[in-house]
Amino acid sequence: DIQMTQSPSSLSASVGDRVTITCRASQGIRNDLAWYQQKPGKAPERLIYAASSLQSGVPSRFSGSGSGTEFTLTVSSLQPEDFATYYCLQHNSFPRTFGQGTKLEIK
Amino acid sequence: EVQVVESGGGVVKPGESLRLSCAASGFIFSSYSMSWIRQAPGKGLEWVSSISGDGNYIFYAGSVKGRFTISRDNAENSLSLQMITLRAEDTAVYYCARSISGADFDFWGLGTLVTVSS
Repeated sequence: DIQMTQSPSSLSASVGDRVTITCRASQGIRNDLAWYQQKPGKAPERLIYAASSLQSGVPSRFSGSGSGTEFTLTVSSLQPEDFATYYCLQHNSFPRTFGQGTKLEIK
Repeated sequence: EVQVVESGGGVVKPGESLRLSCAASGFIFSSYSMSWIRQAPGKGLEWVSSISGDGNYIFYAGSVKGRFTISRDNAENSLSLQMITLRAEDTAVYYCARSISGADFDFWGLGTLVTVSS
């Protein structure tokens, strides 16, 4: 199974800050990685697919990069609605595996 | 408008069975793989099972293999998850999600809560 190690597990930041979340795969997964945002009591929503492609309707302050084993999600200037939990997902092979999540909180 | 709506959740005792359903609309159901993903209270996301658009390819997480069965009815645009021998650790919100074959989950339902408790 491919393990996805996501860091940090939590992050405290202010509106306007630039933040980066990282996911490392235990083996190469090409660019078969997506990023999701989940708000309390809601279903996850896709932000990024194929490691760096922005989901339609998602603000351009979100960006993804990486290939192989290391991936990042960057929010260039945090907005109040961005405080949520973020997950990466590898879909290179079964079983599909998620990172442990990063809870982004307001400082 | 794309919609997937889960149903069938509830409270059951350990060892009992439950069947979840997912009704899909707004897209060509048979063209998409469908999956179940769960989230235990206060925990992260865990993939459970996936089935290809034609139903010929099925995958399970090790934690549910032999106890859960995924199936689909393309004529009815529906997905199911039959769960037997339920355990306390199966307690979670169960989400139905679609994906293009081999790809990630691009659309999720709102989920249905399964509670396994004596």
